[in-house]
Amino acid sequence: EAQVTQNPRYLITVTGKKLTVTCSQNMNHEYMSWYRQDPGLGLRQIYYSMNVEVTDKGDVPEGYKVSRKEKRNFPLILESPSPNQTSLYFCASSLERGGDSSYEQYFGPGTRLTVT
Amino acid sequence: SQQGEEDPQALSIQEGENATMNCSYKTSINNLQWYRQNSGRGLVHLILIRSNEREKHSGRLRVTLDTSKKSSSLLITASRAADTASYFCVTIRRGSTLGRLYFGRGTQLTVWP
Repeated sequence: EAQVTQNPRYLITVTGKKLTVTCSQNMNHEYMSWYRQDPGLGLRQIYYSMNVEVTDKGDVPEGYKVSRKEKRNFPLILESPSPNQTSLYFCASSLERGGDSSYEQYFGPGTRLTVT
Repeated sequence: SQQGEEDPQALSIQEGENATMNCSYKTSINNLQWYRQNSGRGLVHLILIRSNEREKHSGRLRVTLDTSKKSSSLLITASRAADTASYFCVTIRRGSTLGRLYFGRGTQLTVWP
């Protein structure tokens, strides 16, 4: 089954304790992206990756890191989480079509992170 | 920064009625997409309309795009209780760095049985 998986689905942690949220897709998609969703703000793009070893900042990259060493995986790293990073996080992927640039995305189920 | 703004923020209708949601955006776009999100879950792609298209249909969905007014509308005909969800418009700006996607804040649709 074609899907995007995220782990963990729920996480409660404390300020400053490094954590990684994993994202994996089995569709051989070039493009992957991370979003955070907060009430009243919709989804905001954190980082995205056009392909292996290519990553770029989105709207709200501060406090986050990503890496794309393999095509299927795109982990989100919070080196020193703070309470303002409490949010619902989504990973997504799409088959980037070059000049067509449609970016129809498949979303993961979400990771609900609470930082105390 | 948000690119699309959906209107209304919330919409409540009875089953069988049509639901119309609007999206306005600020800059020229390559395409505009609509997604649905059931409460707290991942978004699901509904339909894409390109900047050179004016109208597109998919099942009970009808999307229009007016690039002169920088606006789009999503019409769901003969709504069902299962259509209850949040609906987001997403744009890719023309000329922007490829891969940057901009989401609106969404319209919360409630369909009463």
